[in-house]
Amino acid sequence: ETGVTQTPRHLVMGMTNKKSLKCEQHLGHNAMYWYKQSAKKPLELMFVYNFKEQTENNSVPSRFSPECPNSSHLFLHLHTLQPEDSALYLCASSQESLLAGNTGELFFGEGSRLTVL
Amino acid sequence: QQQVKQSPQSLIVQKGGISIINCAYENTAFDYFPWYQQFPGKGPALLIAIRPDVSEKKEGRFTISFNKSAKQFSLHIMDSQPGDSATYFCAAVHTGGFKTIFGAGTRLFVKA
Repeated sequence: ETGVTQTPRHLVMGMTNKKSLKCEQHLGHNAMYWYKQSAKKPLELMFVYNFKEQTENNSVPSRFSPECPNSSHLFLHLHTLQPEDSALYLCASSQESLLAGNTGELFFGEGSRLTVL
Repeated sequence: QQQVKQSPQSLIVQKGGISIINCAYENTAFDYFPWYQQFPGKGPALLIAIRPDVSEKKEGRFTISFNKSAKQFSLHIMDSQPGDSATYFCAAVHTGGFKTIFGAGTRLFVKA
C-alpha cells in the first residue's frame, strides 16, 4: 500500500447509527487532516492532528469525533448524523517541518462517500 | 483575511483552447501558492505551485502567473485536452503555520 488509504469508500447510514471512517498514511508524515467536501463548501477543513495531538477543530459538531492513535492512523467516528452531513470525507497527510523548502504539501486519499438517510 | 477567492466556478473550453482560472488572496503572510487537481472519484493532488518571489512558473502545458502587488495568481492550461477535465483548486499556504487555505474550486470541462 502506498500513499493515503481510506476505508470504506462508500457508506450509507441511518441517523441513529454509529459508524467510523478510517484513514491510513504510508508516507511517514507527521500531520493528518479530515476535510469535508460537499457542493456547498468544496474543501472544508474539519480537524488537524500533528504528532497525534489535535491542533485544530474547525467548529465541527460533536456528532463527529476524531481519533488519532498514532501518526499513521486517523479515524472519524460518526453518530446521530443528519442528512446534511452527507458528503465526501477526505483524509490528507503532510510533513510539517520548518526546514527550508518544506511546503506542507497535502496528500489526499480517495475519500469516503457518506450518505445519511 | 484568510480567504482565497477563486473564479470562475465552472469553465467549458474547446479542445486545444486555453483554460484560465483566477485566484486572489488577502493575507500577505502567505508564501506558497499551490494548485490542486481533482478527478471524479479521486482526492485532490498537487499539480503545480509557485512562491511569491517569481512571477511565472511553467510545467509542460500548465503555467502559474503570479502578481504579488495585486495579490492575484492564475492557472493557464495551454492546448487544453479532454483529459484535463477536472476540478481545480487554488490554495494559499503560510508555511510557517502550515495552514492551507483553499479556493472554492473550478470545474473545468474540455469539449472534444
